[in-house]
Amino acid sequence: QVQLVQSGAEVKKPGSSVKVSCKASGGTFSHNGFIWVRQAPGQGLEWMGGIIPIFETVIYAQKFQGRVTITADKSTDTAYMELSSLRSEDTAVYYCARGSSQLILRTFFDYWGQGTLVTVSS
Amino acid sequence: QSVLTQPPSASGTPGQRVTMSCSGSSSNIGSNAVNWYQQLPGTAPKLLMYRNDQRPSGVPDRFSGSKSGTSASLAISGLQPEDEADFYCATWDDSLNGPVFGGGTKLTVL
Repeated sequence: QVQLVQSGAEVKKPGSSVKVSCKASGGTFSHNGFIWVRQAPGQGLEWMGGIIPIFETVIYAQKFQGRVTITADKSTDTAYMELSSLRSEDTAVYYCARGSSQLILRTFFDYWGQGTLVTVSS
Repeated sequence: QSVLTQPPSASGTPGQRVTMSCSGSSSNIGSNAVNWYQQLPGTAPKLLMYRNDQRPSGVPDRFSGSKSGTSASLAISGLQPEDEADFYCATWDDSLNGPVFGGGTKLTVL
């Protein structure tokens, strides 16, 4: 059974960076795409970017271009999302999710991490 | 402002049938399959429907999906109290080159 386990909650100061991890188990990590989605308090889901580890292909939502970096470590089956220049509006729960079809991101997402709360506060 | 438009709320009593809509455009729903995610309070989203009308294993057949043109809908028959959740439609957007989500519909079981 596929599981995505994310790193724990973070509290960050404005202007700093945060790096969230997403460790996959039970599947073929490299061949599946992974996306990062965030959910601000009381709000909907917002796509940030995605990666296909085997190709090292990364795409970002325009809103986050230049501020987000998504990487993957094939040796540990772990995807990462780093968001820089944090501001209060970045306070949200951040989720990773796995694409169902291999080698593409243009698919549905069948497994989700448990979420990581990132709080940005001075 | 979400790319896909969903009504913010829906409600029904136990046993009733409810439907919720998802409206998009030619660059997203009009040319790609629609998927639905259910988010129970305090939990991560869960895949509920994929490729417009396909149910993952374990999802009851009380849930059904459809798509026509640039709109999609999710129907729940025989509503149960445990169905109370937020429902998000999603698809790929060819212009944005990424997945897009609706703003979500909060379902209340009265």
